[in-house]
Amino acid sequence: GAVVSQHPSWVICKSGTSVKIECRSLDFQATTMFWYRQFPKQSLMLMATSNEGSKATYEQGVEKDKFLINHASLTLSTLTVTSAHPEDSSFYICSATTAGTAIGPQHFGDGTRLSIL
Amino acid sequence: GENVEQHPSTLSVQEGDSAVIKCTYSDSASNYFPWYKQELGKRPQLIIDIRSNVGEKKDQRIAVTLNKTAKHFSLHITETQPEDSAVYFCAASDTDKLIFGTGTRLQVFP
Repeated sequence: GAVVSQHPSWVICKSGTSVKIECRSLDFQATTMFWYRQFPKQSLMLMATSNEGSKATYEQGVEKDKFLINHASLTLSTLTVTSAHPEDSSFYICSATTAGTAIGPQHFGDGTRLSIL
Repeated sequence: GENVEQHPSTLSVQEGDSAVIKCTYSDSASNYFPWYKQELGKRPQLIIDIRSNVGEKKDQRIAVTLNKTAKHFSLHITETQPEDSAVYFCAASDTDKLIFGTGTRLQVFP
């Protein structure tokens, strides 16, 4: 149980392209999902908290107009990297919790490796 | 906000030995402390977690201890095996989000 699916797993695209990443909870409802970015050999840095039916909460320093988050249903959150540039290249990973808050196990997707040329 | 420090950054042990990874946190209000194992290019996987009303928790070869007064918690792996080799992250819950430590790369040599 508690499976989180993330797509796509790999994206290679040209600078200036917008990229959408999907995060789905397959066997549970997730009112809250989290989006992280991980650079090579570094830790997971929380970008934003995605709340179903409301606006996402962004961490300090994360541009909300560049990283658009939509959480339209209890099983799907999307992250769109708008006008991506090489510095946006990273490993993006989502997580969801059955607890409704972060105070409980978070289940991660497989991540999306984004490479901007 | 919460800040989590993790040590060591790398740890090499011989198969069969024990491994200990330590984390400290800053926010005394944090009350949930999970540990994740991440293999290269893969998702972090929860291996054990502990809540602030518990001092120790064990699951087979893995145990976690929590000292609320000192604000630190530790992961203990006994009888290490080569398949334990991975990056381990601790985390602390700051009310509505997890703050991760910087990670420990564990290498278990056969």
